[in-house]
Amino acid sequence: ETGVTQTPRHLVMGMTNKKSLKCEQHLGHNAMYWYKQSAKKPLELMFVYSLEERVENNSVPSRFSPECPNSSHLFLHLHTLQPEDSALYLCASSQGYNQPQHFGDGTRLSIL
Amino acid sequence: GIQVEQSPPDLILQEGANSTLRCNFSDSVNNLQWFHQNPWGQLINLFYIPSGTKQNGRLSATTVATERYSLLYISSSQTTDSGVYFCAVEAWAAGNKLTFGGGTRVLVKP
Repeated sequence: ETGVTQTPRHLVMGMTNKKSLKCEQHLGHNAMYWYKQSAKKPLELMFVYSLEERVENNSVPSRFSPECPNSSHLFLHLHTLQPEDSALYLCASSQGYNQPQHFGDGTRLSIL
Repeated sequence: GIQVEQSPPDLILQEGANSTLRCNFSDSVNNLQWFHQNPWGQLINLFYIPSGTKQNGRLSATTVATERYSLLYISSSQTTDSGVYFCAVEAWAAGNKLTFGGGTRVLVKP
């Protein structure tokens, strides 16, 4: 039990589909993050939410749309993705900035 | 932004061997974490170590913040230690975002 749960673990979708990734943390943390890990590249920070407000958006294409309805849940809505969006998407949470981040197991996304 | 470089990029070990992984960073940091990503993609937090030395079983880490590097020591390596080890830092200069290094890919052979 990592404390950060991501669903689904694997997702295959076509470029015209709409799907959502879900992240739930059971650690009482105030900050949540989405990262993208592509093959042979460092993890890239996509979005940061602190106290349910988006505080960071790293020039991510609009086909990725985050949602944080409360401090325990974070979603990543996907629409009209491209093949290069195939990657491992990792969610993390922390008590706040400068605090250790704890990661979920990730969702491995494949775009056909 | 801050640069995080890890070395070596790849490491092959015989089971039982010891090794040292290095992480260099280009600016002062407020936070440094070491992670292990196993072959299934799970990213496990090993150490939160902005400075000093910590030990956890066969693993230990040392960060010398004034010289901008951190070391991860693996002793008596086991096949389950295989995977990619990432160093990540948070720095005021980078807006307090966690910036990851490129990782060291470790393979421990039986």
